[in-house]
Amino acid sequence: GIQVEQSPPDLILQEGANSTLRCNFSDSVNNLQWFHQNPWGQLINLFYIPSGTKQNGRLSATTVATERYSLLYISSSQTTDSGVYFCAVEGYSTLTFGKGTMLLVSP
Amino acid sequence: DVKVTQSSRYLVKRTGEKVFLECVQDMDHENMFWYRQDPGLGLRLIYFSYDVKMKEKGDIPEGYSVSREKKERFSLILESASTNQTSMYLCASSSGIGYTFGSGTRLTVV
Repeated sequence: GIQVEQSPPDLILQEGANSTLRCNFSDSVNNLQWFHQNPWGQLINLFYIPSGTKQNGRLSATTVATERYSLLYISSSQTTDSGVYFCAVEGYSTLTFGKGTMLLVSP
Repeated sequence: DVKVTQSSRYLVKRTGEKVFLECVQDMDHENMFWYRQDPGLGLRLIYFSYDVKMKEKGDIPEGYSVSREKKERFSLILESASTNQTSMYLCASSSGIGYTFGSGTRLTVV
């Protein structure tokens, strides 16, 4: 099946800093999503982005499908951005998750 | 707002009990999924369904079964719960354009 690698595994930021999270995947995909898992465990969908660039407030994402990677940008980070960010991809079957990036934003 | 609802937020069951985890979606999606999440192992697919009365095994189906009698409801069944099934269980649905997840059920088997 498809392999999904996320980097970095952990990230500590000062409030107000910017960050870039990366997701590499091993094969062509029909679907790529970025999720934020909140402290209660719920997976919140941030972006559905199999290709191209999207923006939503302080967050934006870019997927370069031909080079098999996606980037999630967080600008002007806030403490509420803390949590685990997952990249998940779907090839011809079901959604496969990376191991996640744990982000801690300190005040 | 679209919703996937899991019936229990927290559940504690005894070893050997039969356990039902219920998931309901209001989006008329064909596809539904059950994942479990464990520290260090990430999210792993247990079972999925592309239609009513249809089911497919995921990556870790052993010890589990599922039921999909109606389009909106997908149940995960632990026939005889064991301590190694203590985990966070997440249900999702999809129309083929993105997945929506429920809030999860933290199951503890004692």
